[in-house]
Amino acid sequence: EVQLVQSGAEVKKPGESLKISCKGSGYNLTSYWIAWVRQMPGKGLEWMGIIYPGDSDTRYSPSFQGQVTISADKSINTAYLQWSSLKASDTAMYYCARQLGTALVSPLAYWGQGTLVTVSS
Amino acid sequence: EIVLTQSPGTLSLSPGERATLSCRTSQSVNSEYLAWFQQKPGQAPRLLIYAASKRATGIPDRFSGSGSGTDFTLTISRLEPEDFAVYYCQQYGYSPRKFGQGTKVEIK
Repeated sequence: EVQLVQSGAEVKKPGESLKISCKGSGYNLTSYWIAWVRQMPGKGLEWMGIIYPGDSDTRYSPSFQGQVTISADKSINTAYLQWSSLKASDTAMYYCARQLGTALVSPLAYWGQGTLVTVSS
Repeated sequence: EIVLTQSPGTLSLSPGERATLSCRTSQSVNSEYLAWFQQKPGQAPRLLIYAASKRATGIPDRFSGSGSGTDFTLTISRLEPEDFAVYYCQQYGYSPRKFGQGTKVEIK
């Protein structure tokens, strides 16, 4: 069974750094692209970017390029989303999701449970 | 970038009724690259339909997708109580892979 388990909720102050994780199981993480999706409180879904853990090929939405870093450690089947300096506007639920097929273009079929990030002074 | 516009914003219907949700794209999208998701409060989104009309694994056949070019539709033939949720379309063929703003299907 394919599962994506994300790290727990975080409460941070503006300016702090953060790295959240998404651990895959039940499949070979290196073979499937993993995306990150943001959902701000009461709002819709925003596609942030995508990574191929096999070689760390990463593509970002222009809206998130330079604002976050997506990475992966294939040895432990884990993808990451990190910030170097959080802002209050980063407060949101963040989901990782695995694509249905191994091709670059494929729908998001398996989702993590989400990580709630709260940034407040 | 391709913008997806969903309508209506909210759909108020009764169980057993038919729901028709629209997703329009600002540019023509290959129908192979259009998906629909369902999201219930406090839950992650769930893939319902991909390639415009293919049901994902385990999705009941009351859910169907259609469309091409710039106009796509998600139809729920007879609403069940568990279908009241927010629905998003997404194009995943062109970067950035944006979502529509969502349609909330609520109980009338």
